[in-house]
Amino acid sequence: AQTVTQSQPEMSVQEAETVTLSCTYDTSESNYYLFWYKQPPSRQMILVIRQEAYKQQNATENRFSVNFQKAAKSFSLKISDSQLGDTAMYFCAFLYTGTASKLTFGTGTRLQVTL
Amino acid sequence: NAGVTQTPKFRVLKTGQSMTLLCAQDMNHEYMYWYRQDPGMGLRLIHYSVGEGTTAKGEVPDGYNVSRLKKQNFLLGLESAAPSQTSVYFCASSRLPAGIPYEQYFGPGTRLTVT
Repeated sequence: AQTVTQSQPEMSVQEAETVTLSCTYDTSESNYYLFWYKQPPSRQMILVIRQEAYKQQNATENRFSVNFQKAAKSFSLKISDSQLGDTAMYFCAFLYTGTASKLTFGTGTRLQVTL
Repeated sequence: NAGVTQTPKFRVLKTGQSMTLLCAQDMNHEYMYWYRQDPGMGLRLIHYSVGEGTTAKGEVPDGYNVSRLKKQNFLLGLESAAPSQTSVYFCASSRLPAGIPYEQYFGPGTRLTVT
């Protein structure tokens, strides 16, 4: 079974600054995906970024980028130039494609962006 | 495209009552999922379906039943609601994962309170 650990329940960052959210996972599989989802107060789950395990290059999406360390089983999210709209819960999630594509989520990090 | 929709958005039940949550998707996705979200625990998989007429248990299936009679709909039933089932319920859907970038699309959630 896979497990996903987010060790930072809450974080705070000032507007325009950079913040990094941590995620570690445990698996014996070699083919998998990792995701970061954002959940704003509206409750909607929004995909932020996706990383395929077989790709060595770290994924980037505008101000969001990841640091994927496969050997260390680490998948952190960096948010650059933080904006007030980035205030949300952030969930790290793991997917092994051999198990009906089921997602395993971490417990989340609540990020507050302040002025 | 409405994407993934959930009915109802809010509901209050008394202990022992029954209800059905409806999830509908208009993206012709094969896979559908039901999750529950509780404070401090992330999202946990209740049941899932890999196609019309098929269902399977997830991580926390006790007290719930599901049906997928039509490809576009996935129903979650509570036969005898308990206060422990107070939660926010999310439905999600996805394409078959092979050969294409993978993503689960989430509905807006249903907040259920059992008193």
